[in-house]
Amino acid sequence: KAGVTQTPRYLIKTRGQQVTLSCSPISGHRSVSWYQQTPGQGLQFLFEYFSETQRNKGNFPGRFSGRQFSNSRSEMNVSTLELGDSALYLCASSWDSRANVLTFGAGSRLTVL
Amino acid sequence: AQSVTQLDSQVPVFEEAPVELRCNYSSSVSVYLFWYVQYPNQGLQLLLKYLSGSTLVESINGFEAEFNKSQTSFHLRKPSVHISDTAEYFCAVILTGGGNKLTFGTGTQLKVEL
Repeated sequence: KAGVTQTPRYLIKTRGQQVTLSCSPISGHRSVSWYQQTPGQGLQFLFEYFSETQRNKGNFPGRFSGRQFSNSRSEMNVSTLELGDSALYLCASSWDSRANVLTFGAGSRLTVL
Repeated sequence: AQSVTQLDSQVPVFEEAPVELRCNYSSSVSVYLFWYVQYPNQGLQLLLKYLSGSTLVESINGFEAEFNKSQTSFHLRKPSVHISDTAEYFCAVILTGGGNKLTFGTGTQLKVEL
């Protein structure tokens, strides 16, 4: 059974650009959550999607957005990139929005120059 | 709002020695508790969880944690560590009925030395 797949694994952008990150959950999982990991702020919850609907949202500016498709794959987008957006972005999937047990992908490491 | 405190940012320990990584949480409602491990350049792996039932939970690789409601703690222990246990360990909580929103502690870097 394949795990959670995140693409791309590494990317470099410049300030002001936008970026889209992709997450394919474990087959059969319908909940996808996104987290940001930085040395300064640690691991912070971005948002959760279940059946194409955003179920929960963290305290991030509107530049951070996401969506989920009918096949449960999810994308997150960050517009107008800032240096502080450099981070490891982790995606996690679960079979249900109340399952409470999440499986994480390896992450997408974004560097903003 | 809930919070998680991991007081020790780094814990050095010799191989085959016991180790305890401390975790305390604060919440006005019931929570589920988790320990995740992160190896360099990798994502998070679930080590063990407490959802209900026995307050002592164990992982397949020898770690255990005990949920102590009165002390609001969920410390992680291993009686004998191996060099391969070197990693960063994160304690996390989810509010019961709160979906899949994890609140993490700041992490403890466990460094096992020969």
